[in-house]
Amino acid sequence: EVQLVESGGGLVKPGGSLRLSCAASGFTFSTYSMNWVRQAPGKGLEWVSSISSGSSYIYYADSVKGRFTISRDNAKNSLYLQMNGLRAEDTAVYYCARDPYPLQLRHFDYWGQGTLVTVSS
Amino acid sequence: QSALTQPPSASGSPGQSVTISCTGTSSDVGGYKYVSWYQQHPGKAPKLMIYEVSKRPSGVPDRFSASQSGNTASLTVSGLQADDEADYYCSSYAGSNNLEFGGGTKVTVL
Repeated sequence: EVQLVESGGGLVKPGGSLRLSCAASGFTFSTYSMNWVRQAPGKGLEWVSSISSGSSYIYYADSVKGRFTISRDNAKNSLYLQMNGLRAEDTAVYYCARDPYPLQLRHFDYWGQGTLVTVSS
Repeated sequence: QSALTQPPSASGSPGQSVTISCTGTSSDVGGYKYVSWYQQHPGKAPKLMIYEVSKRPSGVPDRFSASQSGNTASLTVSGLQADDEADYYCSSYAGSNNLEFGGGTKVTVL
């Protein structure tokens, strides 16, 4: 059974940093592209970042470019999101999601349950 | 403001059908055959319901169908059931390694 479990969320002050993790199991993690998608409270979904299976291709939404860094450790079946320079508008539930195709950003077939990041003073 | 436009709400009685639209441009919905639909119950993760415009993943009932015409994609839920009450989001590949979502539609089963 495919499982994606996010962790690392919490309360952080504006300008602060946080590192999210996503532990994957039930599939061969190293062969899939992975993504972060966020959802502000009461709002819609927003794609944040994508990383290919071997980390060769990395993409970011304009809203986080230069502040967030996506990475992965295939030996540990884990996906990460380093978030720096956090702003109030980054407050959201952050989901990790799997890309089932070699082509990235077409659709996401499995999602984690999410981890809440709150940016507030 | 979301890149793709969805109606905020839609409703239908049990057994009826409801159709949700997702309007974009020729740079996203109209330019690629990569529209997807997700169902999200309150407090839960999104679930993939449709991919590549009209394909259903294994396990999704055939009561869920979708299509695309020009810059507008549509999701139809037939034979509405109580558990279909949820938020539905469309998404589309938008070129230049970018993915867009719609603002979401809350479906209410009356």
